Amino acid sequence: EPEVTQTPSHQVTQMGQEVILRCVPISNHLYFYWYRQILGQKVEFLVSFYNNEISEKSEIFDDQFSVERPDGSNFTLKIRSTKLEDSAMYFCASSAWENTEAFFGQGTRLTVV
Amino acid sequence: GENVEQHPSTLSVQEGDSAVIKCTYSDSASNYFPWYKQELGKRPQLIIDIRSNVGEKKDQRIAVTLNKTAKHFSLHITETQPEDSAVYFCAASSDTGRRALTFGSGTRLQVQP
Repeated sequence: EPEVTQTPSHQVTQMGQEVILRCVPISNHLYFYWYRQILGQKVEFLVSFYNNEISEKSEIFDDQFSVERPDGSNFTLKIRSTKLEDSAMYFCASSAWENTEAFFGQGTRLTVV
Repeated sequence: GENVEQHPSTLSVQEGDSAVIKCTYSDSASNYFPWYKQELGKRPQLIIDIRSNVGEKKDQRIAVTLNKTAKHFSLHITETQPEDSAVYFCAASSDTGRRALTFGSGTRLQVQP
């Protein structure tokens, strides 16, 4: 069964450093998403991406965040200058179309120290 | 924007009993309502979803009901088993409003053997 894959599974970074989280969505899906989940809390939407541009973003997705689809398979989330409060599990997801079932990756646990 | 409230936050039942988790949403334009199960340290996985053109959907021991007028939807699990123990999240999205998923705060279900 096809699935969304994310790398790395765990990333530890110093406050102020840049991090890039990587995702390979399901190959025939057109919509890609990043969500985050702070430990013990709900899953929060960050951004959606379609046709090589941002489709929607939340108020969390400020200028410190950016997304990119550098090639035909990868989808990345960059945090420019990490803060302690960026520590969370970051989930990538993809769906065949918008407003349909989203398939989640296994997540990247980001720890900012 | 959309706001999804979920209750209860924790639920403990005896094996074989039924479990009901309830969610309300704020945006009347929302028309897609999935339920995700998240086991500890794992990715959220879709267990059932419903669209606003139907009032109820069933899949073996799992059912979801939707009341569009009251803007609430519920997950029903019958004949619970220990492997049903997990955190369950409801979510909502719309064709016209927030197209990405807005999640509820989650319900930790514990099924006691």
